[in-house]
Formats: sequence, structure tokens, C-alpha cells
Amino acid sequence: AQSVTQLDSQVPVFEEAPVELRCNYSSSVSVYLFWYVQYPNQGLQLLLKYLSGSTLVKGINGFEAEFNKSQTSFHLRKPSVHISDTAEYFCAVTGVDYGQNFVFGPGTRLSVLP
Amino acid sequence: GAVVSQHPSRVICKSGTSVKIECRSLDFQATTMFWYRQFPKQSLMLMATSNEGSKATYEQGVEKDKFLINHASLTLSTLTVTSAHPEDSSFYICSASYRRNTEAFFGQGTRLTVV
Repeated sequence: AQSVTQLDSQVPVFEEAPVELRCNYSSSVSVYLFWYVQYPNQGLQLLLKYLSGSTLVKGINGFEAEFNKSQTSFHLRKPSVHISDTAEYFCAVTGVDYGQNFVFGPGTRLSVLP
Repeated sequence: GAVVSQHPSRVICKSGTSVKIECRSLDFQATTMFWYRQFPKQSLMLMATSNEGSKATYEQGVEKDKFLINHASLTLSTLTVTSAHPEDSSFYICSASYRRNTEAFFGQGTRLTVV
């Protein structure tokens, strides 16, 4: 079984400032890792994913994340945020074997302030 | 990219009635779909795993008689909330995966309000 922790429930940041959203996971099997964004009353949109290879993953909208196996972390970063980045962000993990469901963290509410 | 369409996006129903939510994979075949429920300001909680041609697998605490899931084809899964009550009001989201679980594609979600 897998579990995901997102320690920060809310992160307020000023526009054009950098931001890091933290994600830690636990699993007894090999995993794939994901970050999703959710805007109000909408489904989830994939920002980026780590499957294998380079531990630094670049995604859409200028986001990137780094997989750290020893620390079991997959923190999301953006060097300069915009007002439009205000949303809920979910870290998720799934086992490598096909058919396993995605386990989501509790989410982090990113609020970008003008 | 793969597209999952969920319908309706919003529904208001009277207490005691049933509501059906559809989840379709538009451009790929999904042998497995997942149904989630999301309470306000909370994460997604898996309700059940829907397998094409077989019975759904429900998570602990989810009433299978209240939340009926049917996965009749490789592109369609339905969730029926039977005898809905106000406490069933929530945001319901479906997802589907392919290519050995390398990504989950989500529907737009359905906001159910029971009055």
C-alpha cells in the first residue's frame, strides 16, 4: 500500500515569487509519482509525472519537481508564480503494476497574492 | 492526449431520487476506471474500482447498494447514486488509466446537490 503526505495545507505567496510545495510518500513497491492541479469545480489536470530516468522532471506552466528516492520526496517547484497559479495541488502515487489505483495526498492550496 | 468525459457536470435532485453519472473514455479503451468522491477542501477518496465486464470493487465503508457502478463496455462506466440524501451531496470524479498505469486521466467531475 502507498500513502502520500503533503505537509502544507495552504501556501500563500506573492506574485513573481518562487514557491515549493512539499510531497512525501511511502510505499513497499516501486512507484510512479504525479502532481495534479485542480481549479474550482473542475477535474484534475496533470502537471508532471515521474516514471523513470532523470530525477528532475519538467511539466506544464513552468512547474518542475525532483524525485528524491532516499528521502521519499517529490517536491514541486516554480521559480516565479502568477495569479493564475492559484489552485489546489495534489501529489499522487501509484504502484508500478498496472491496475493499481492512484493514492492522493490531502492537497495544498496555493494562493498567489498580488 | 487521452480524454475522459464525465456527464453531467452539475446535477440537483430531490431527496429520495436516483442520479446516474457517466464516465466515458473518448479515445482509448479503459479496462479499469476509478470513482472518487471529494468533500469540500479535501482530497480525493477512492470509492470503487470499476472493471469492465465484472463487478466493481468497493473501498471499505462505501455502500455498494447505494453507489451502483456498472462498467458495461471498455469506454463507459456509470455511477448511480440511489435514494440520494443531502449527505450524498459532493463532488464525484472518475478516472481511467492505460499504458500500465503511467497516467490517470480524469473527468471534469460532477457536482451533486441533493435537496
